[in-house]
Amino acid sequence: SAVISQKPSRDICQRGTSLTIQCQVDSQVTMMFWYRQQPGQSLTLIATANQGSEATYESGFVIDKFPISRPNLTFSTLTVSNMSPEDSSIYLCSVEKINRGRTDTQYFGPGTRLTVL
Amino acid sequence: KQEVTQIPAALSVPEGENLVLNCSFTDSAIYNLQWFRQDPGKGLTSLLLIQSSQREQTSGRLNASLDKSSGRSTLYIAASQPGDSATYLCAVKASYDKVIFGPGTSLSVIP
Repeated sequence: SAVISQKPSRDICQRGTSLTIQCQVDSQVTMMFWYRQQPGQSLTLIATANQGSEATYESGFVIDKFPISRPNLTFSTLTVSNMSPEDSSIYLCSVEKINRGRTDTQYFGPGTRLTVL
Repeated sequence: KQEVTQIPAALSVPEGENLVLNCSFTDSAIYNLQWFRQDPGKGLTSLLLIQSSQREQTSGRLNASLDKSSGRSTLYIAASQPGDSATYLCAVKASYDKVIFGPGTSLSVIP
């Protein structure tokens, strides 16, 4: 399994500011994923972050708005830049682990609940 | 483009009932399908993962089936309990680096 922590757990921010969300995993993983869950919605993949390379962004998400860092195999950050109220969401970090008997299981952090005023 | 849908959107049942949640996907070329549970304000907890070569997986009172040819999966919950109340999400791994989630089914089990 994988234990994932995220900081902060929640934040209230002003329009136009930026927030960096940290994701820490208790073991080394190749790929880390960042998701957004808007109020009452399901999860939408923002980007995939591999260590040592640029993140791969999904359609509708750009690096200038959501820069991602992946300095090592256990840590990643997602920055939400120049925030607007439409960015109010839960942001979730996720990893994929290959375990005996359960390959490719996906694990999620507890999420960061962001409110933009 | 892979799309994932879930029905019903919401379900309310009395405690002790058996129930079935449904998940459909449009492209049968998948790596695996995973069922998650999400409690309010919390992250996701993996319940069951079915590889594309498998037909079903079981864990305790939960049983998930997969029919790739018809693009369907079901999650069966036996003898439901109030603690089962949560949102249930199915997710399809469409490629090595992409998982697509359904909209979820909100389940309420009434004591």
